[in-house]
Amino acid sequence: SAVISQKPSRDICQRGTSLTIQCQVDSQVTMMFWYRQQPGQSLTLIATANQGSEATYESGFVIDKFPISRPNLTFSTLTVSNMSPEDSSIYLCSVDSNNEQFFGPGTRLTVL
Amino acid sequence: GEDVEQSLFLSVREGDSSVINCTYTDSSSTYLYWYKQEPGAGLQLLTYIFSNMDMKQDQRLTVLLNKKDKHLSLRIADTQTGDSAIYFCAALTSGTYKYIFGTGTRLKVLA
Repeated sequence: SAVISQKPSRDICQRGTSLTIQCQVDSQVTMMFWYRQQPGQSLTLIATANQGSEATYESGFVIDKFPISRPNLTFSTLTVSNMSPEDSSIYLCSVDSNNEQFFGPGTRLTVL
Repeated sequence: GEDVEQSLFLSVREGDSSVINCTYTDSSSTYLYWYKQEPGAGLQLLTYIFSNMDMKQDQRLTVLLNKKDKHLSLRIADTQTGDSAIYFCAALTSGTYKYIFGTGTRLKVLA
């Protein structure tokens, strides 16, 4: 299994600002994913981040709004840019290890 | 694309068995998963089954897969109050290598 930590665990932000979420894994992994979970909803994949290449974004998500970095095999960041209240959500990073997907504890974001 | 559906709520009495159901649409899904999410927490991988298996048992958990009907179920034996959570079914699509999640089933265990 993989142990994943995220920072911050929660934040309250003003609209128009940006927040960068960090995801750290205790082992080297090729594939990392970023998800959004809106209140009472299921998970929606934002993008897949592989080390050494540009992130691949899902329909409805764009790099300008959600820039992602993946500098090495154990770390990634997701930035939520120019935030609005609609961005209030839980943001989860996950990794794939031998066809098992493990999740971080999530970052609970509230935008006022 | 793949669509994964679950019923939204299930309520059982402590000590009874719980059965949470899931249907998916992509018959080429290779792995099917069950996750548990407790309030304020991330998702915990409970168990998974490979698509060429019919059943997998792991302590109190039994996963049944009917590939013909594209139906997956999770049975929790001797359900405890600590099992109260949201349970997500997920399918790994073979072509695009993406995990598609169901809507989640909120399990409430009554003492």
